[in-house]
Amino acid sequence: NAGVMQNPRHLVRRRGQEARLRCSPMKGHSHVYWYRQLPEEGLKFMVYLQKENIIDESGMPKERFSAEFPKEGPSILRIQQVVRGDSAAYFCASSPQGHTGELFFGEGSRLTVL
Amino acid sequence: AQTVTQSQPEMSVQEAETVTLSCTYDTSENNYYLFWYKQPPSRQMILVIRQEAYKQQNATENRFSVNFQKAAKSFSLKISDSQLGDTAMYFCAFMKSSGGSNYKLTFGKGTLLTVNP
Repeated sequence: NAGVMQNPRHLVRRRGQEARLRCSPMKGHSHVYWYRQLPEEGLKFMVYLQKENIIDESGMPKERFSAEFPKEGPSILRIQQVVRGDSAAYFCASSPQGHTGELFFGEGSRLTVL
Repeated sequence: AQTVTQSQPEMSVQEAETVTLSCTYDTSENNYYLFWYKQPPSRQMILVIRQEAYKQQNATENRFSVNFQKAAKSFSLKISDSQLGDTAMYFCAFMKSSGGSNYKLTFGKGTLLTVNP
């Protein structure tokens, strides 16, 4: 049973480019969460999605960031016009319907903006 | 809003010895979960142990155990018989178990644990 799969593991972009990070949840999981980890910090909640619905995006920056979880395919976190401050590790987690507190994390995608 | 504080940025321990990592939190909630996650150099977040606030008994998982003091809002992690593979960043985290936002993890800043041979 594969775990949460994230790709790419590492992504380098120049300022102004777009970054797309993908996350496939564990089999049978319908809830996806994105967290961001800045250097020397703990993870911070960004967004919570279910299939075709954004449930809570209170942790997402208002501009340049968007997320989706389509009916088919992985969840995508999209960052437009990246800036150096976007350099971070982005973690995806998933949980089943009616979870009892445990989120299953992927290995993260490390974005470096030059 | 909840906050989680880990007051020890770094700790070290000799192999086979015992170490305790501290965590305090602040919340007005009565029902919640507390977690310790391990992040080794590979950077994957691995769940070490989970505690449900309504349970008075402290959670244990093999060499890992917690000291949960609900009134004091304290949740420390004890690692017994430390092994080199325990070297990692350890994060304490909080999640409400009911009501709105009962899916958001709030993390502390982490404690870097080094196990020395």
